[in-house]
Amino acid sequence: AQKITQTQPGMFVQEKEAVTLDCTYDTSDQSYGLFWYKQPSSGEMIFLIYQGSYDEQNATEGRYSLNFQKARKSANLVISASQLGDSAMYFCAMRETAGFQKLVFGTGTRLLVSP
Amino acid sequence: SQTIHQWPATLVQPVGSPLSLECTVEGTSNPNLYWYRQAAGRGLQLLFYSVGIGQISSEVPQNLSASRPQDRQFILSSKKLLLSDSGFYLCAWNLQGYEQYFGPGTRLTVT
Repeated sequence: AQKITQTQPGMFVQEKEAVTLDCTYDTSDQSYGLFWYKQPSSGEMIFLIYQGSYDEQNATEGRYSLNFQKARKSANLVISASQLGDSAMYFCAMRETAGFQKLVFGTGTRLLVSP
Repeated sequence: SQTIHQWPATLVQPVGSPLSLECTVEGTSNPNLYWYRQAAGRGLQLLFYSVGIGQISSEVPQNLSASRPQDRQFILSSKKLLLSDSGFYLCAWNLQGYEQYFGPGTRLTVT
């Protein structure tokens, strides 16, 4: 069965610094996708970035990049040049590409960006 | 562009009362639809998903049910709410193979 582990319940970073949010996953499938979502205090889940298991290059979307290390089964989110608006919960999720493509979420990391 | 709506935004209901939460998607056809629940300070738990009208799959046995009467409408219901049903309910959609997009959510408090 799929499992996502986020070991950092909370992280603190100063504005303009970079921060890495950890995510490890467990699956027996060869084909899968990894996602990061941001949940601000309003509650809405905002899609940030996607990495496919066969993608050779790390995904990047603006200030977000995904550090994908397949052998270690890790998919860490790197936020460069943190902004106050980055303060939120961040969830890592995985989807197997075979069968019905449901998402399995980790427990999340709360990021607080200070001025 | 596609948008997803949920209502109501907040709801306070007594134990034993019925529940109906609605989700609608605009700007796409034949989406996959999902209901998730998030307990306070926790991750998301998938409750139901649907790949088409009238096609509902349940992930977690409980006193909740879901229906999809129209292509872009997904309804979460209960005949009798329990205290444990309190939480934040999120509806999501996607097209097969793509990322899921979430609605604004409904915060349910069962008293």
